[in-house]
Amino acid sequence: QQQVKQSPQSLIVQKGGIPIINCAYENTAFDYFPWYQQFPGKGPALLIAIRPDVSEKKEGRFTISFNKSAKQFSLHIMDSQPGDSATYFCAASMGYSGGGADGLTFGKGTHLIIQP
Amino acid sequence: KAGVTQTPRYLIKTRGQQVTLSCSPISGHRSVSWYQQTPGQGLQFLFEYFSETQRNKGNFPGRFSGRQFSNSRSEMNVSTLELGDSALYLCASSLQGQLSEQYFGPGTRLTVT
Repeated sequence: QQQVKQSPQSLIVQKGGIPIINCAYENTAFDYFPWYQQFPGKGPALLIAIRPDVSEKKEGRFTISFNKSAKQFSLHIMDSQPGDSATYFCAASMGYSGGGADGLTFGKGTHLIIQP
Repeated sequence: KAGVTQTPRYLIKTRGQQVTLSCSPISGHRSVSWYQQTPGQGLQFLFEYFSETQRNKGNFPGRFSGRQFSNSRSEMNVSTLELGDSALYLCASSLQGQLSEQYFGPGTRLTVT
């Protein structure tokens, strides 16, 4: 079954701390792993994405760590700010598989609160 | 460059009715995907259209259908609405579909009473 398991469900971090959100997948055919940020009343916004040939990717304050052998990937937010408070979703797809891709498979989301 | 637009933003329908939602992708994007978002099931893939052809389909009943026009705009239709169809319906556009990054619109909030 093509599942992506995300944890924790909710997370509270003090400003300046480093929230870490973890995801695990089962389907080894997945080869594209994006993270999305969603604010209330808005659609998900693409934050950062990684391919399995890379173990880490940084974009600004956001870092993805990827462990192919463990089939796990995580999002780290450096120097977190109250404005980062949102719901974060990990996802996976067979981005390079050509025909037969089933769209993005999303985790259930993490509700993140950054306290001032 | 304008983002993905969806209309209408809010919709209230009665059980048994049908509904059509519209999505205009980012200019130059040829792929449009649709997702359903609910508190219980999260974000689930409905289908993807590329160059007017449905290329991929999620695990939803046949009451859910869609189409794409030559200008890449897409519509999705839900017939014989059920209470469980109440959800946020999101459209995402990308250059090549599943091979590239997807950008989401604000969604259409459908309430079925």
